[in-house]
Amino acid sequence: ETGVTQTPRHLVMGMTNKKSLKCEQHLGHNAMYWYKQSAKKPLELMFVYSLEERVENNSVPSRFSPECPNSSHLFLHLHTLQPEDSALYLCASSQDSGLPYEQYFGPGTRLTVT
Amino acid sequence: DQQVKQNSPSLSVQEGRISILNCDYTNSMFDYFLWYKKYPAEGPTFLISISSIKDKNEDGRFTVFLNKSAKHLSLHIVPSQPGDSAVYFCAAGRGSNYKLTFGKGTLLTVNP
Repeated sequence: ETGVTQTPRHLVMGMTNKKSLKCEQHLGHNAMYWYKQSAKKPLELMFVYSLEERVENNSVPSRFSPECPNSSHLFLHLHTLQPEDSALYLCASSQDSGLPYEQYFGPGTRLTVT
Repeated sequence: DQQVKQNSPSLSVQEGRISILNCDYTNSMFDYFLWYKKYPAEGPTFLISISSIKDKNEDGRFTVFLNKSAKHLSLHIVPSQPGDSAVYFCAAGRGSNYKLTFGKGTLLTVNP
């Protein structure tokens, strides 16, 4: 049990759909992250929120829209995606005041765009 | 341009023997390094880390070695167990920056 949960675990969506991924952390952390893992590529950082403010946006297309309503919840809103956006999307959290590197990951959402 | 490289996509080891997983990096500004383990259908799990001011960190069966001059780190697992079979990711961070740069991972298989 990592203390970071993600829903849904699997998602299939068409290119014209709008969907959202949800992440919740139960670790009392105050920084949260979205990563993308495509086949045969390293994990790529997409967004970072610290104390509910976005502190990093790693040149991600606007069809991905993050939202962090509080320090325990993080969303990734998806619209007009492309097939190449199919990947594993991982959420992570860390304690901002300590070493932000020690990030704890959720199980991920496997996204397929058709 | 990959700043963190794991050149071995896979490694197979016999139970009880040592597993050595390697990682190279190019950015000399990295000052913190981590290893994560990932089982299928789960997210990566933090395993062990090392600061650039050290050259070794040990936690039970897991030891990470850092060679700054060679920009190389390695993870040693002794003795290896079948439950260690997973993908291992090397990651690096810099200063108080939130960004971790990951390698592509090495699939370790420990055979009974």
